[in-house]
Amino acid sequence: DAGVTQSPTHLIKTRGQQVTLRCSPKSGHDTVSWYQQALGQGPQFIFQYYEEEERQRGNFPDRFSGHQFPNYSSELNVNALLLGDSALYLCASSFAYEQYFGPGTRLTVT
Amino acid sequence: AQSVTQPDIHITVSEGASLELRCNYSYGATPYLFWYVQSPGQGLQLLLKYFSGDTLVQGIKGFEAEFKRSQSSFNLRKPSVHWSDAAEYFCAVALNNAGNMLTFGGGTRLMVKP
Repeated sequence: DAGVTQSPTHLIKTRGQQVTLRCSPKSGHDTVSWYQQALGQGPQFIFQYYEEEERQRGNFPDRFSGHQFPNYSSELNVNALLLGDSALYLCASSFAYEQYFGPGTRLTVT
Repeated sequence: AQSVTQPDIHITVSEGASLELRCNYSYGATPYLFWYVQSPGQGLQLLLKYFSGDTLVQGIKGFEAEFKRSQSSFNLRKPSVHWSDAAEYFCAVALNNAGNMLTFGGGTRLMVKP
C-alpha cells in the first residue's frame, strides 16, 4: 500500500496564475482533507471532501476550490495566486477514525 | 472557537534527557486530541491520540501524553530522548466527531544536543 500520495512534489508559479494539486488517498479511505502549512506555522484546514462533495470548509477564500473523483482521489485548485499562497499543501485521507497525511506539495509563488 | 496553543516555539534537550512538550487547548466539548511529528521535508506522522478513556495515552517511538481536563492540557512526554527525535511537533484538536478535521497548534521545534 503506497499510503497517501501527492503530486507534484514541488512547483513554482507566478502571481495571478492558477495551480492544481493532486492527492491519491490511502487504499480504503473515502474522505480527503486539505491543509495549508505556511513556513514556520502549523497546518490550517482548508476543506474536506466526502462522496465527491465538499463537506466542511475552513477560513479560506473562494479562490481555493477542490474536487473529489469517484475513485476518492482529489484535487485542490487555487486561482489568482498571491505571494501569501506560498506554503506546503498537505492532503490527508481518512476512513472511520483512521487518518494519514501525505508528504505534501511545496508551492512557491513568485 | 477551538484553538490549540503550544507555548514553546523551540526546545533543546540533551540526548538521554527527559522531554515534555506543552499543549493547551480551547474546546467546548470533550476534545479529541492528537500529537503529530514532522521531520524536515516530510509530512505529518501521528504519534498518539486521545478520544476517551484512560487519560494517559501511549504512542509510538516511546512517547506518551496525558489529558488533563482541569488544565485544558495534553502534554507530550518521553523519558529519554534520542537524536532521531529532533523534529517539529504539533498538537491538534479535532473539530468534528470523526476526528479528521483538525486545528493545529503552532508547533514546537525540538533540537537534541549530543
